[in-house]
Parts: sequence; C-alpha cells; structure tokens
Amino acid sequence: DAGITQSPRHKVTETGTPVTLRCHQTENHRYMYWYRQDPGHGLRLIHYSYGVKDTDKGEVSDGYSVSRSKTEDFLLTLESATSSQTSVYFCAINDFGDQETQYFGPGTRLLVL
Amino acid sequence: AQSVTQPDIHITVSEGASLELRCNYSYGATPYLFWYVQSPGQGLQLLLKYFSGDTLVQGIKGFEAEFKRSQSSFNLRKPSVHWSDAAEYFCALFGATNKLIFGTGTLLAVQP
Repeated sequence: DAGITQSPRHKVTETGTPVTLRCHQTENHRYMYWYRQDPGHGLRLIHYSYGVKDTDKGEVSDGYSVSRSKTEDFLLTLESATSSQTSVYFCAINDFGDQETQYFGPGTRLLVL
Repeated sequence: AQSVTQPDIHITVSEGASLELRCNYSYGATPYLFWYVQSPGQGLQLLLKYFSGDTLVQGIKGFEAEFKRSQSSFNLRKPSVHWSDAAEYFCALFGATNKLIFGTGTLLAVQP
C-alpha cells in the first residue's frame, strides 16, 4: 500500500463546470503523477510533479491544470469540463530512490454530462 | 519512438491452464519494463519489473516474465491460472522521456 488516496472517488458534473480532483499521499514521495484511463488507450499521462510547485506536462495535458503547494497533495483541475474528459483518473507516486517504479491510487471515476 | 504493444485485447483461459500474455516494445536501448494488473473498479497493482540482470523476473501472485532483447518482448506467464487472476493486465516501459508508457491492456477471463 503506497498510502495514496484520491477524492472524490466518483463525480458527475456538467459540461462547462470546473472540477478539481485531489491526490493525497502520506509518505513524502517526491514525484506525483496524474493519468487518465480510457478503453483502447491504456493509461496516458496528463501532468506530473517533481516537487512542490514543480510540475510539467504529459502526453494529454490540454484542458487540464495542476498544482502542488505541499508535498502531500497534487490537485488536478479541469478548467471547463467537456464530455471528452469523461474518464477514470489515476494518481501515482514513484518509489523512494527509484523514479521509474510507480504505484497507483484507487482512481476517480468522472462523468461529464 | 518509444511504444508498447499488447497484441491481445482479450484472452480466455480455463482455470488451472497455463497463461502467457504478450508484450512487445519499441525502444533504442534496454528499457525498464513493468507489468501491472487491474481488477475491476480498482487501481493498478505492480506485478513485477525488469531493470537489468537476470532476464527471467519473478513477481507476486505466482507470475513471472521473461525479457527477450532479440524479440523486443517481455511476456508475462503463469503456470496455473486461478479464477481470481481474471483482470486486465498492462505492460509498461520507462524510457528516455522519463515517463511510463503503457500498452493498451489485455483483458483476461478465466473459465471454470
């Protein structure tokens, strides 16, 4: 158990509204990641963070922003939700001393109507 | 370009039968390779990883994988499948971009 929680676990929202998903970790991991999972695409990286206030874009970052004001929390914001952002969102952290190995949270299922 | 291909979208095996899930990768050097498993409604759990050294890697739940550089493959195997192994399996590589690249997954069904 990597000590990762995600909130909310499920959310239904309407097109055009802002949405923020939270990832919380308890073990001071430096790297944190946000992925989305869609059928036929596997997992795709949205954004990641390599420290407080240090973030970078992933493969599918358009329409998403992130913030990390403290080590334990990594927030993903959909600025104006669209139906194409209906997905399952996973947060991950890296292993200590091992950037390559990642451990995943339980996921947030988001439906944009 | 770096990529991971899982050629089988769906596989069905009988309980007690052996299992092999295929994974092929494209990368210029030796990548770091991973297999994850995802049960319905759950997050991804790390099964095993290959960084270097012995090309046969043992993981949790009785799984193993073999790295074959000549075939650019990292296939996952289990000698005897249990009904609880029904899940989706993802192969991934960590390459030059310092990011994990995932395959599209293989959904395993287990028949009684």
